[in-house]
Amino acid sequence: GNSVTQMEGPVTLSEEAFLTINCTYTATGYPSLFWYVQYPGEGLQLLLKATKADDKGSNKGFEATYRKETTSFHLEKGSVQVSDSAVYFCALSGSQFYFGTGTSLTVIP
Amino acid sequence: GAVVSQHPSRVICKSGTSVKIECRSLDFQATTMFWYRQFPKKSLMLMATSNEGSKATYEQGVEKDKFLINHASLTLSTLTVTSAHPEDSSFYICSASSRQETYGYTFGSGTRLTVV
Repeated sequence: GNSVTQMEGPVTLSEEAFLTINCTYTATGYPSLFWYVQYPGEGLQLLLKATKADDKGSNKGFEATYRKETTSFHLEKGSVQVSDSAVYFCALSGSQFYFGTGTSLTVIP
Repeated sequence: GAVVSQHPSRVICKSGTSVKIECRSLDFQATTMFWYRQFPKKSLMLMATSNEGSKATYEQGVEKDKFLINHASLTLSTLTVTSAHPEDSSFYICSASSRQETYGYTFGSGTRLTVV
């Protein structure tokens, strides 16, 4: 079946630090992969997506590459800001969306 | 881009009463809408999928009679929590997709329900 495994949080970083949030998946077929961000008290916003192997999704300085060989879609950002503090969800699409458990990120000045 | 409006954003109700949450697609026709529930510090759990004009399909373990879903038009779906109890307190989020949207869905901003 389909599932997403996401690194446990919470993650606390200083401003301008490098961010990696690991995400691996199990899927039948060739799903699309997503990262969603949830700011405090708000719903989910699509951060980036990749629809096929080796695709790189990018947005707002965040990147993730669809790695079929390692079944991974790790989220990275070279220099985080305080405003990046949020919960990040990795997800894949099949007959429905399958979400990871979310990783809470806090960036301190 | 596609926008989904969800109301109310917060609601507090007394135990035993019913609460209706609305999910509207503002600039597209949502042939399918999804309702999720998010527990504290946990991921989103799909509750049900609704297609316009037909009965919702509920996930295993979700009580159909407690969580009534209506998708009467291509722009509106409602979730009614009937006879709410404190354990129903949660964050509920809807998402919507159209026939043209093969990948990805647009999410509402969520509703924080507190049952006292």
